[in-house]
This record gives sequence, C-alpha cells and structure tokens, in this order.
Amino acid sequence: EAAVTQSPRSKVAVTGGKVTLSCHQTNNHDYMYWYRQDTGHGLRLIHYSYVADSTEKGDIPDGYKASRPSQENFSLILELASLSQTAVYFCASSDRGKDTQYFGPGTRLLVL
Amino acid sequence: QQQVRQSPQSLTVWEGETAILNCSYEDSTFDYFPWYWQFPRESPALLIAIRPVSNKKEDGRFTIFFNKREKKLSLHITDSQPGDSATYFCAASVMGYKLTFGTGTSLLVDP
Repeated sequence: EAAVTQSPRSKVAVTGGKVTLSCHQTNNHDYMYWYRQDTGHGLRLIHYSYVADSTEKGDIPDGYKASRPSQENFSLILELASLSQTAVYFCASSDRGKDTQYFGPGTRLLVL
Repeated sequence: QQQVRQSPQSLTVWEGETAILNCSYEDSTFDYFPWYWQFPRESPALLIAIRPVSNKKEDGRFTIFFNKREKKLSLHITDSQPGDSATYFCAASVMGYKLTFGTGTSLLVDP
C-alpha cells in the first residue's frame, strides 16, 4: 500500500501569516497533488506536479503556491493565510500510467 | 461550475437494503470515473472505478452502472452493512490524473 505522510497534522495560524504544509511519499510516484476539503464542497484540486521541480495550477490555485523539490516531497505554501483558507488539506500521489491516487492523512488548518 | 454532481446529499438505508448513489458529469472528455469513500476523520480511499468502455463494474457488493449517453453513473451497494456508513465521492478525470470530485453523498446504514 502506498505511503503518503503529511506534516503537520493540524495547525493554527494567524491571518496574514505564512503557512507551509508538507507532504512526503515513499513509493517513487511521479504524480503528487494537493486538495482542500470543505464541508459541502468535496475535494478541490489546488496544485499538482508531474515531476520534480515543476508544479501546475489546479482548479483553485489562488492564494496558494506549491513546491516540488524532489520526487518524494511536495509542499503547499500559503504566503498570507486568510480566514477562508481554513480547511482540511490532503496530499495525494499516483504512479505514472496508473489511476489510483493514494491520499495522506490530511492536515487540519485553522486560520484565526 | 460544478462538473461532477452527486445526489442525494445524504441517504439512510436499513441494514440489508440496497443503497443507490447517483452521479452525473458534464465534460464528455472524462474517461475515468472512480468512487472514493471516506470515513469520519480519515482520508479518502479508492473503492471502485470504471472506464467508459464498460457500462458496469462489479466488486463484491459494490457495482457501478454507467450510462455514457446520458453522462450519468450510479453506485449500488447491495446488502448494505453498518460498516458501509461513510461519505462517498464520485470523481472524474481524463487519463486518470487531476481528479474532479463531486460534493459527496453521506450514507448511513441503520442496523
């Protein structure tokens, strides 16, 4: 089974502060994704990456940046956190040519 | 614009009944339709998936029925069990990447 870990598991941030969410996978998957989950909205794709040192915008990229410094690591950066970014954030990975995405345990972010 | 829609938003069935969860989509280029389930305070996990080359996919008590012409699909859970109580997400993508999720159906199976 694919192993995707996220840190921190929960975080309280102040409005206007910088937040970095980290994701690490140990399965040599090429593809990595960041989703946010809000009640009533399901999961929405923020950023994704096909290869190290390259990231792509997803469906809701505004207010977020992403960084993929290596195949194993994918970070989501909120430069100026806002109240509306309170949500649960999930990282996922998948292998090239295979459909299944494996999700990490999630990070609960509360912006005050 | 919601490209993947699910109904109902919530559903309660008795143990042993068949639960039917519905999904529709707009983008005709979608070619992969997975269903993920999510238990409270856990992460989503793949349950079952289908490609448009088939109109039915079965895995134990879980069956996807797919209607390409109407852009609709449904997940049938037969002999529902309390352990099936979860939120079910229909998703769609092109070639398996960049999933677009529906808003989910919360299923409760009463014993």
